Amino acid sequence: KQEVTQIPAALSVPEGENLVLNCSFTDSAIYNLQWFRQDPGKGLTSLLLIQSSQREQTSGRLNASLDKSSGRSTLYIAASQPGDSATYLCAVRSRDDKIIFGKGTRLHILP
Amino acid sequence: GAVVSQHPSWVICKSGTSVKIECRSLDFQATTMFWYRQFPKQSLMLMATSNEGSKATYEQGVEKDKFLINHASLTLSTLTVTSAHPEDSSFYICSASRAYNSPLHFGNGTRLTVT
Repeated sequence: KQEVTQIPAALSVPEGENLVLNCSFTDSAIYNLQWFRQDPGKGLTSLLLIQSSQREQTSGRLNASLDKSSGRSTLYIAASQPGDSATYLCAVRSRDDKIIFGKGTRLHILP
Repeated sequence: GAVVSQHPSWVICKSGTSVKIECRSLDFQATTMFWYRQFPKQSLMLMATSNEGSKATYEQGVEKDKFLINHASLTLSTLTVTSAHPEDSSFYICSASRAYNSPLHFGNGTRLTVT
């Protein structure tokens, strides 16, 4: 059974700093991994999707990497801004077509 | 970009009544849609996978007779919470993607409160 873990559970950093969020998964038989952000009481916004054959994806200040063999992904946020404050979730789509989420990292950017 | 619309965004109902939540993919066809439940400050729990034209696949511990899922077309899936109880109060979110290797897109969720 696929399990997805996100570390840390919460993170506070001063504005302007770069930061890394971590996601690990137990079963490497995946189609892809996707990072989302969720604002309080809202739905999820897709940030980046990495296919199992890819090693990284970039969008603006965001860079996500994937090491399928070790079951790890990281989300790198450069030059953090207060608007980046949210909960960040990673989700793994396994070969049985189930999509399993981690518990998320609550990020707070200090102005 | 792909848009998933979920309706209603919030609903309050009395115990014993049923509530229907709709999930629509507005600009793409989705053979598969997913229904999640989220408790406060917790992650999303997959409830079921909704397949167009066939029965939904429920996760262990999810009562299929209580949470009825109908995937009537390639753009619409519905979740009906039957005989709702206060413990069913939660945030329900649907999602869909064009294909297994496409991004998953989410609706804005439905806040259900059962009194």
